Amino acid sequence: AQSVTQLDSHVSVSEGTPVLLRCNYSSSYSPSLFWYVQHPNKGLQLLLKYTSAATLVKGINGFEAEFKKSETSFHLTKPSAHMSDAAEYFCVVSGPNSGYALNFGKGTSLLVTP
Amino acid sequence: GAGVSQTPSNKVTEKGKYVELRCDPISGHTALYWYRQSLGQGPEFLIYFQGTGAADDSGLPNDRFFAVRPEGSVSTLKIQRTERGDSAVYLCASSLGLAVYNEQFFGPGTRLTVL
Repeated sequence: AQSVTQLDSHVSVSEGTPVLLRCNYSSSYSPSLFWYVQHPNKGLQLLLKYTSAATLVKGINGFEAEFKKSETSFHLTKPSAHMSDAAEYFCVVSGPNSGYALNFGKGTSLLVTP
Repeated sequence: GAGVSQTPSNKVTEKGKYVELRCDPISGHTALYWYRQSLGQGPEFLIYFQGTGAADDSGLPNDRFFAVRPEGSVSTLKIQRTERGDSAVYLCASSLGLAVYNEQFFGPGTRLTVL
């Protein structure tokens, strides 16, 4: 079975400082990996996806993630946090074992302080 | 254009009652997915459709849950004999087709509360 583990349930950063949200995956096959963001009272939005092309993936709003097979990781980063980045972030895996269903992690709540 | 819409946005019911939750996908999207998100958790897969047929219903928790998509567009998730543990936000998503590279677009969800 495929799964992801988000290593931090809460992350707090100051505005203008870097963001790092950590995710490890477990998969017997080459997975597809995603990051989704969920703002309060809004729907889930895709930030970026990795589907076996370039290992460094750039997404919307300045976010990027690097697929590291040797570390089974797919951490999300952003050089400089904005107040508007405060939200819940989900690491997601999909792939041959799960068909087209998305398997979500438990989420990381990002707090951005002034 | 219009995104995925779900109705109602909130539903409160009593234990043992029957409920229906509706999802209108993005026009032209042939794949439709249902997920359930409990408080403090990530969404969990329930079922997905390609066209009118359920391609994978392995996430439905038990036979009280059923979903249909009779004309390949709107879908209804049906829950019989609701239990308090069914309380959650039910999310619907749609995509252009069943492929990993096709983005799933999510609706705002229906918050179900079973008293």
